[in-house]
Amino acid sequence: EADIYQTPRYLVIGTGKKITLECSQTMGHDKMYWYQQDPGMELHLIHYSYGVNSTEKGDLSSESTVSRIRTEHFPLTLESARPSHTSQYLCASARPGLETDTQYFGPGTRLTVL
Amino acid sequence: GENVEQHPSTLSVQEGDSAVIKCTYSDSASNYFPWYKQELGKRPQLIIDIRSNVGEKKDQRIAVTLNKTAKHFSLHITETQPEDSAVYFCAASKRAGRRALTFGSGTRLQVQP
Repeated sequence: EADIYQTPRYLVIGTGKKITLECSQTMGHDKMYWYQQDPGMELHLIHYSYGVNSTEKGDLSSESTVSRIRTEHFPLTLESARPSHTSQYLCASARPGLETDTQYFGPGTRLTVL
Repeated sequence: GENVEQHPSTLSVQEGDSAVIKCTYSDSASNYFPWYKQELGKRPQLIIDIRSNVGEKKDQRIAVTLNKTAKHFSLHITETQPEDSAVYFCAASKRAGRRALTFGSGTRLQVQP
């Protein structure tokens, strides 16, 4: 079934650890996005990609980095996690239509940094 | 860049009543306006969207209206049910923009049985 997958769904780690949040989509979409969201609160765009080898920073300053080596895969990496990184991270993808960029979201990764 | 403001931040209604959530946008070039519903602990789900060449769109109990002149759009939910309780986000985007969706800050809707 075409969908967006995120792993892990929950992660608790200590300060200073390097982590990678995985996002994969089987929807054949070109555009992919990462959002940071505290539960039920505003969605903040932190990274986006319009295709392979294309990545850009979003509205919210983030210490994370992303890569887009394959169309279906858009991992997010934190080199040194801090308690301020505790949040939910949502991955999304979109296939440009004639006029719209409808985004579909993954289930999210809830990150807690101790 | 685009700025989307959403009101109210919280809304409580009785089951069966109607609920209205309003959003305003700043970029007159925006032409696509989706609404997402996010239930507790779940991912945002697209519930309805509207393009700038349409003034109103309905899907069963939900409808969206768009006023391009005033740069605002609204979500209307009729005959609300407890399962409508969630956080609703509006968003705006424009064709050919490299930055797709700009989201509003969300409205927490509580439907009291």
